[in-house]
Amino acid sequence: GAVVSQHPSRVICKSGTSVKIECRSLDFQATTMFWYRQFPKQSLMLMATSNEGSKATYEQGVEKDKFLINHASLTLSTLTVTSAHPEDSSFYICSASWQALSYNEQFFGPGTRLTVL
Amino acid sequence: SQQGEEDPQALSIQEGENATMNCSYKTSINNLQWYRQNSGRGLVHLILIRSNEREKHSGRLRVTLDTSKKSSSLLITASRAADTASYFCATASAFQKLVFGTGTRLLVSP
Repeated sequence: GAVVSQHPSRVICKSGTSVKIECRSLDFQATTMFWYRQFPKQSLMLMATSNEGSKATYEQGVEKDKFLINHASLTLSTLTVTSAHPEDSSFYICSASWQALSYNEQFFGPGTRLTVL
Repeated sequence: SQQGEEDPQALSIQEGENATMNCSYKTSINNLQWYRQNSGRGLVHLILIRSNEREKHSGRLRVTLDTSKKSSSLLITASRAADTASYFCATASAFQKLVFGTGTRLLVSP
């Protein structure tokens, strides 16, 4: 159980376009979803935390108008990279959790590799 | 930065040897978790140790936690080539966020 999927797994786009990445919890209801960003050979950096039905909370330095997060249901969160530029090229990973867990366990998706040309 | 530090950054060993990775962190924690990531893939949860625990085992994995020194170690015994991956520690506070360490890239040669 506790499977999280991401779609697409890989996307290449032109500079200036917007890209939407979906994160789904397949067999549980995720009250909270997290979006991370990982540059090559670096660690994961938390971008934002989203709770179902409310606005996302962004980490310091993350532009909320550039990285739009929608957590419309208990099984789906989307991250839209607006007007993408080459510096946005990265590996984006989501994770999902639910309130009943007392020890912060998160289940991670397989990641989405974004390349902006 | 809140990010934890891991050392070594890279570790190269032979199959059958043990691999030890260390993690240091900065703030008080609820628990500490270790994850594995194969190249270009998502994260796999390995083990969680709570702040009131000092040692935990899971198969070939042994994790220790020293909250007075704000440090943890992950020991993989009898390593295999399939253990080749990056390993990250992540600390959890009371606010559900995970803060990841810088990671250790482990290479196990046959």
